Amino acid sequence: EDKVVQSPLSLVVHEGDTVTLNCSYEVTNFRSLLWYKQEKKAPTFLFMLTSSGIEKKSGRLSSILDKKELFSILNITATQTGDSAIYLCAVCIAGNQFYFGTGTSLTVIP
Amino acid sequence: DVKVTQSSRYLVKRTGEKVFLECVQDMDHENMFWYRQDPGLGLRLIYFSYDVKMKEKGDIPEGYSVSREKKERFSLILESASTNQTSMYLCASSPSVGQGGGYTFGSGTRLTVV
Repeated sequence: EDKVVQSPLSLVVHEGDTVTLNCSYEVTNFRSLLWYKQEKKAPTFLFMLTSSGIEKKSGRLSSILDKKELFSILNITATQTGDSAIYLCAVCIAGNQFYFGTGTSLTVIP
Repeated sequence: DVKVTQSSRYLVKRTGEKVFLECVQDMDHENMFWYRQDPGLGLRLIYFSYDVKMKEKGDIPEGYSVSREKKERFSLILESASTNQTSMYLCASSPSVGQGGGYTFGSGTRLTVV
């Protein structure tokens, strides 16, 4: 059974902390792994990862994929209150099918 | 096991037809969403609903409408299907903001308009 598991389920940190969010998966016909940020309206696309070991970076956010160990991490450095959101991991398999994790709820306290 | 159920896995419709995509969740979630997913693009929000009979437009509402008459059911309607609406449609639900937890997605409906 294909599945995507995110951990932790929720996280509370102080501004300035660094956080690491985890996403592990077991799927057939893996194509890519995507990270989204969900605030109020809808998920905002962050990264798409297809190759192992290549870090994608955008400002204070970065992500990397390990296709051998079947996981990805999303790092956020120097967190700000605006980073408070649910972070979703999704795995795309052949046929444009997506499997989503249940998300990590991040709360950044001033 | 909680879940979001989409009524059809695959649909083929003709241009101009009115199309209904149904989604039912059994988690008593307040929020429900309809997205479409196309190759090379991330999720794009069509409509969402935060309560019965309440709806808000997402990023690409044109050509679509929705209905939420009951809390557990959220329907997406293509008033007059066109070929550019061929896509994978995903329904999701989530609890209210502040209640914690994330999304639960349905398995998707692959719609082909010919």
